[in-house]
Amino acid sequence: DGGITQSPKYLFRKEGQNVTLSCEQNLNHDAMYWYRQDPGQGLRLIYYSQIVNDFQKGDIAEGYSVSREKKESFPLTVTSAQKNPTAFYLCASKEQAGLAVNGELFFGEGSRLTVL
Amino acid sequence: GENVEQHPSTLSVQEGDSAVIKCTYSDSASNYFPWYKQELGKGSQLIIDIRSNVGEKKDQRIAVTLNKTAKHFSLHITETQPEDSAVYFCAASIKTSGTYKYIFGTGTRLKVLA
Repeated sequence: DGGITQSPKYLFRKEGQNVTLSCEQNLNHDAMYWYRQDPGQGLRLIYYSQIVNDFQKGDIAEGYSVSREKKESFPLTVTSAQKNPTAFYLCASKEQAGLAVNGELFFGEGSRLTVL
Repeated sequence: GENVEQHPSTLSVQEGDSAVIKCTYSDSASNYFPWYKQELGKGSQLIIDIRSNVGEKKDQRIAVTLNKTAKHFSLHITETQPEDSAVYFCAASIKTSGTYKYIFGTGTRLKVLA
């Protein structure tokens, strides 16, 4: 079955530690996204990538880093610089990245990060 | 900046009744408005979308209406069932830096009471 797989689903981290969330898709989609979801707030865009070896900052990129070395993979690292990292993180992909393309986002099931 | 407001934040309805969730967007250039349903253990899935050249779209028990003048769009679910219980997010697309971004609403938790 095609889809997006995020891992781990639950993660606990001590303050000062970096942690990497995995996102893998086998949909052959060009574009991939990372969102953060907090109670009472909409999904906020952290980073996005339209093509391999390219990525752009979203609205709340500070304290996060990403890489896009392979089309199917878009890992997110939450660094110790992120002041409030406890949140639910969602990865998504879209078939085409392009100027005039709106389309369906396909989401993973999410990763819940808790900083102790 | 661009934003999308969504109301209500929680909504409880009796099974069989209708549910309506409303969103307002700020960027008049937005031209695509999807609705996503988020369920525990199932991720978030697109349930319906509408483009700015259309005023209404219907898919079985789900419909979306768009008022471009007022910059409002709404999700209508008729004959609600317990499996409709979930968190629903609206979004509006905006073009920025040569690509499209989606601005999401704050979500509505719908509870359908049996």
